Amino acid sequence: QLQVQESGPGLVKPAETLSLTCTVSGGSISSSSYYWGWIRQPPGRGLEWIGSINYKGSTYYNPSLESRLTISVDTSQNQFSLKLNSMTATDTAVYYCARPRSGYLEFDSWGQGILVTVSS
Amino acid sequence: DIQMTQSPSSVSASVGDRVTITCRASQGISSWLAWYQQKPGRAPKLLIYAASRLQSGVPSRFSGSGSGTDFTLTISSLQPEDFATYYCQQATSFPLTFGGGTKVEIK
Repeated sequence: QLQVQESGPGLVKPAETLSLTCTVSGGSISSSSYYWGWIRQPPGRGLEWIGSINYKGSTYYNPSLESRLTISVDTSQNQFSLKLNSMTATDTAVYYCARPRSGYLEFDSWGQGILVTVSS
Repeated sequence: DIQMTQSPSSVSASVGDRVTITCRASQGISSWLAWYQQKPGRAPKLLIYAASRLQSGVPSRFSGSGSGTDFTLTISSLQPEDFATYYCQQATSFPLTFGGGTKVEIK
């Protein structure tokens, strides 16, 4: 059964860059042209889609984050990654990676999430 | 971008009640609408896709309907494990967008 799992730091300083990795297990990230996704949720708030990438490296970004965001894929490691620069307190959130239902844009497999706090 | 508006933002209900949550898209999205359930400290769980298709393993008391801009999620008989927050998501195009959520609380 395919699973995804986030990894990365739980604390980032203001103005620094957040780097998170999502590792795919139980299947190949290249097996289909899914658009793997990153979603975040500030404490006590709703869900915000960050961006998505397929195994060929084609990306879509949230326009509100696009200027600070890079999503990449490493098929050899079965991983995809997120880099968000110029972090501020408003970027404090639980960050999830997720796999969409085959060929579609809703997410049927989510990681457990990682809380990232922006603080000095 | 397609804006998704859910109502109500919260609802108080009792076990056995019928609960209906609505989601409105700012433009037509055909049936490309998903519903998620999220419990505190947990990742969202896909309940319904394509507006009315039940994800595998989801109890039949959950149902979805609608097309175009107006959608509903109905829980026919609320169970203790259904107290959670529910989100809709448009799945027609990027950028993907979610509704603000509806918290189902115990009356």
